[in-house]
Amino acid sequence: AQSVAQPEDQVNVAEGNPLTVKCTYSVSGNPYLFWYVQYPNRGLQFLLKYITGDNLVKGSYGFEAEFNKSQTSFHLKKPSALVSDSALYFCAVRDPNDYKLSFGAGTTVTVRA
Amino acid sequence: SAVISQKPSRDICQRGTSLTIQCQVDSQVTMMFWYRQQPGQSLTLIATANQGSEATYESGFVIDKFPISRPNLTFSTLTVSNMSPEDSSIYLCSALGTSGRGYNEQFFGPGTRLTVL
Repeated sequence: AQSVAQPEDQVNVAEGNPLTVKCTYSVSGNPYLFWYVQYPNRGLQFLLKYITGDNLVKGSYGFEAEFNKSQTSFHLKKPSALVSDSALYFCAVRDPNDYKLSFGAGTTVTVRA
Repeated sequence: SAVISQKPSRDICQRGTSLTIQCQVDSQVTMMFWYRQQPGQSLTLIATANQGSEATYESGFVIDKFPISRPNLTFSTLTVSNMSPEDSSIYLCSALGTSGRGYNEQFFGPGTRLTVL
C-alpha cells in the first residue's frame, strides 16, 4: 500500500524568507510524486511532479521539490515566499502501475507580510 | 490541460435527502475520479468513474450510498444518497488529462461544498 506523510500541519514564514513543506512517502517500487496547492474555495492546482530523471523538479509559481530516495522524501521548497503563497499544500504519491493518488494530510502555509 | 467544472458549487441539504453533483470536463479524458475532502482532512478517493460501465469503488464506499454515472468521456455525476451530517464534505471531481507539457496529469474541479443539517 502507498502512503504519504506531511509531518507539519502548519508552516509560518515571513515574506521573502525560504519556504519548505515536508513530505515523506511509502510505496513499493519507484514512486510517482506530486505536489498540489489548494486556495480557499478553489480546487486543487497542480504544482509539480517527479516521475524519473533529475531529482530536483521545478514547477509552477517558483516552487521546486527534491526527490530523495534514501530518505523517501519529496520536500517542497521556494527560495523566497510571497504572501500569495499562503494556501493548503498537499503531497501525493501514485504507484506507476495505477492512476490512483494517495494524498497526505495537507500543510497550511501562512506567509506574513 | 483539462478544465473541470462542477455544479452545484455548494449546497445545504436536509438529512435523509439525496444530492447529485455534476462534473463536466472541457475535453475528452480517459479517466475520471471522485474524491471526498472532509472538514480539516485530506482527500480520499471514493471511486473511479468508468465510461459505459459501473464505477470502481474504494474500500469503505458503496454504490448504494454513492451512485456514479459516466455516460460519455466528458461528463460524470456523483449522487450522495440518504444524507447524514457525516456526509458534510467537499466533493471533488478529477480527470486524467494531458498537460501542456505533454504528459498525463490529474486535474481537479473546484469542488462542491456540501453541508447536511
